[in-house]
Amino acid sequence: QVQLVESGGGVVQPGRSLRLSCATSGFTFSSYGMHWVRLAPGKGLEWLAFMSFDGNTQYYTDSVKGRFTISRDNSKNTLFLQMNSPRAEDTAVYYCATDGPNYNIDNWGQGSLVTVSS
Amino acid sequence: QSVLTQPPSVSAAPGQKVTISCSGSSSNIGNTNVSWYRQLPGTAPTLLIYENDKRPSGIPDRFSGSKSGTSATLGITGLQTGDEADYYCGAWDYSLSAVKWVFGGGTKLTVL
Repeated sequence: QVQLVESGGGVVQPGRSLRLSCATSGFTFSSYGMHWVRLAPGKGLEWLAFMSFDGNTQYYTDSVKGRFTISRDNSKNTLFLQMNSPRAEDTAVYYCATDGPNYNIDNWGQGSLVTVSS
Repeated sequence: QSVLTQPPSVSAAPGQKVTISCSGSSSNIGNTNVSWYRQLPGTAPTLLIYENDKRPSGIPDRFSGSKSGTSATLGITGLQTGDEADYYCGAWDYSLSAVKWVFGGGTKLTVL
């Protein structure tokens, strides 16, 4: 079955960098687009970024554009989110998710907590 | 402020029916499919409805979806205490300036 496992979260100081990983299995990773979504304390789900199956297309939400970078390694079935210059408001649980064939996000990882604090 | 608008909360008694609305625009719901997600406390979201009205395998037929114009609705019948969760609608948004995925602000369901 589809498995998505995020890692790399933790406490990071404002302005430093952090890279999240999403290890996948149970499906042909190189055939699917992927998303990053986060849930901040007391807030709703916020979509962050999308990367196409081949890495050629990326979309970002305005709040992270220029600071966060989505990437993937199809040889290792892994998705990444490079977080540069994080701010306190980036504190959240970060989820990776697959892009479904029906214009939807379908499978989700269990999430990785990122706390931005000095 | 979310691009898709949902009521912050809804409530109903066990066994009853509830509906959750999701209002968008011609750049999102009016132009593409809507999906719905449930997030139980402390867990990852799960897909409830895709392509406006289809249920993934394993989702009971107590859950239904519909779409009309630029709005969508999630219906839940036979409410159970285990249905208490946050519910989100989502869709692709194709504006002139950018393509992005958008979620509604979420609706907290309380089963009284």
